[in-house]
Amino acid sequence: DAKTTQPPSMDCAEGRAANLPCNHSTISGNEYVYWYRQIHSQGPQYIIHGLKNNETNEMASLIITEDRKSSTLILPHATLRDTAVYYCIVRVPHAGGTSYGKLTFGQGTILTVHP
Amino acid sequence: DSGVTQTPKHLITATGQRVTLRCSPRSGDLSVYWYQQSLDQGLQFLIQYYNGEERAKGNILERFSAQQFPDLHSELNLSSLELGDSALYFCASSVALTAYEQYFGPGTRLTVT
Repeated sequence: DAKTTQPPSMDCAEGRAANLPCNHSTISGNEYVYWYRQIHSQGPQYIIHGLKNNETNEMASLIITEDRKSSTLILPHATLRDTAVYYCIVRVPHAGGTSYGKLTFGQGTILTVHP
Repeated sequence: DSGVTQTPKHLITATGQRVTLRCSPRSGDLSVYWYQQSLDQGLQFLIQYYNGEERAKGNILERFSAQQFPDLHSELNLSSLELGDSALYFCASSVALTAYEQYFGPGTRLTVT
């Protein structure tokens, strides 16, 4: 699985858009980008995933650059409840062998939303 | 609420003891995953079961074992506990063998004294 790099922390004002970057310059053609978040000591929560097209769901938007070497998770109107650690994970969804369902979490970005 | 349940929520035990953590996946999910989260190691994948069979293994210690039962619930057994085993243990589930979306339970906080 490709390595990802995320800033350790970011701040955002409530009601503004939170843009969380992720660098994955060694991503291969069949690897997807997944985003999860973990609100303090709760179980991680799946947010969104994508391959090369931009994706949007009720929680967030995912923008992947054309060369796929980086991506940005956008929370359009951040609230205090969005304060969490956000993880960017890159992996092949159909890997077999010993890593079928394994998700490798890095350190993530601590997003703090301020009133 | 992810639909994944874990019991107990908290567990305090002594070194050398054995404990069992239980997980019930979301209805319809065949895959169950176990993860460990400690302060120094972060979130680490331990093991995955799919429809009763072990399918993926992480850096799970030999003192730890897991199984998935015919009703698809899973148990993680931790034995000869050490202080360093104190951590949050999360169970997750997904419909498929692969990892598009995993739904995590609330976790079991294990404290070894």
